[in-house]
Formats: sequence, C-alpha cells, structure tokens
Amino acid sequence: AQSVAQPEDQVNVAEGNPLTVKCTYSVSGNPYLFWYVQYPNRGLQFLLKYITGDNLVKGSYGFEAEFNKSQTSFHLKKPSALVSDSALYFCAVRDMNNNAGNMLTFGGGTRVMVKP
Amino acid sequence: EAQVTQNPRYLITVTGKKLTVTCSQNMNHEYMSWYRQDPGLGLRQIYYSMNVEVTDKGDVPEGYKVSRKEKRNFPLILESPSPNQTSLYFCASSFGGGRVAQHFGDGTRLSIL
Repeated sequence: AQSVAQPEDQVNVAEGNPLTVKCTYSVSGNPYLFWYVQYPNRGLQFLLKYITGDNLVKGSYGFEAEFNKSQTSFHLKKPSALVSDSALYFCAVRDMNNNAGNMLTFGGGTRVMVKP
Repeated sequence: EAQVTQNPRYLITVTGKKLTVTCSQNMNHEYMSWYRQDPGLGLRQIYYSMNVEVTDKGDVPEGYKVSRKEKRNFPLILESPSPNQTSLYFCASSFGGGRVAQHFGDGTRLSIL
C-alpha cells in the first residue's frame, strides 16, 4: 500500500520569507513523488516531481523539493514567498512497484497563506 | 491549447436521478482518471483508464461507472446518485504511466440533495 501525509492543514508565512510545505510518504518499493498546486476554482497544476537521480528537484514558479529517503520525506520549499503563492498544495506518491495503471495517492492538502 | 475539459462545472440534482459528467482531452493521452476531492481527504481516485476499452477501479469506485469508447473521452456516470457523492470531481489525463505528470480539468462541483 502507498500513502502520503501532509501534517499541516495550513501554513502562514509573510511575503519574502522562506516557505516550506511538509510531506512524508510510505511505499513498499521506491517512490515517484509529485507536488501539485490548486488555485481557487481551478484544477491541480503540476509543480515538480522526483523520479530518480538528484535529490534536489527544481520546478515551476521558483519552487523546489528535496527527496530524503531515510526520512521518507519530500518537502516543498521556496526561498522567498509571494502573495500569489497563496493556494492549496498537494503532495502525491506512486510506488514504482505498483502496476495498477498510474494510480497516484494524494495527501490531504496544505493551504498556504502568504501575507503582505 | 492543450486542455482537459469537464462539463458541467456545477450541478445540483436530487437523489436517484442519473447523471453523467463528461471529460474530454485534446492531447492524445492514453491514461485518464477520475478523482473526487473532499476537505481534509485530498484527492481520491475513483476510476482510471489506461487506454480505449481498458478501465479499472481506483480507491473509491462504489456508486460510479465509467466508459472509454474513444481515446479523448472518459465520462463519469452516477446511475443513482446519493448525498454522500456530493463532492468536487476532477478528471485528469497523461501520457504513459506513473512517472508522468497529469493534466487536470477545472473540476465539477456536484451537489446531490
């Protein structure tokens, strides 16, 4: 079985400060990991993914995430948050050994509020 | 423009009245999925399809049906909707398997009274 946990329902940060959104996962094999962002009344948009290789992954809009296998974590980070980063963020995982199509398991989401 | 289109975007209906939510993608993707989004639960997969005439259950398939007669379309059918199916629904598509990012539609908000 595969699962994802996003321990914080909401993260508040001042504009210009660093932003971190936490994600931990559980898989039986090796993971494919994704971050998506959802703006109001819109579908999810892809930010970045980890498949293999370098543990630090860079994505859209200045976001990056670090894969940590020993801590089974994939935290999303941005060095300097913008008000426009306020949105709902989802972490998702797929076990590489999972042959059930492309089924992803999503975390419960973390709402990010960036205040001016 | 590459996109996943869902219709309707909003629907209020009553228990037991069959409804269909359509999903169409113009990217020639093999994989398509349906998710429901509920507060605190994230997105849960309902059904997915790996290609035409190939579909399988996700995590929460009860009360739903799908079909994949054409590559571009993947409708979600609620034969006898119930209030616990009130939710926000998303269709998604992608090339290949689980290594690839999915493209999502803008969602369909269903309210079953």
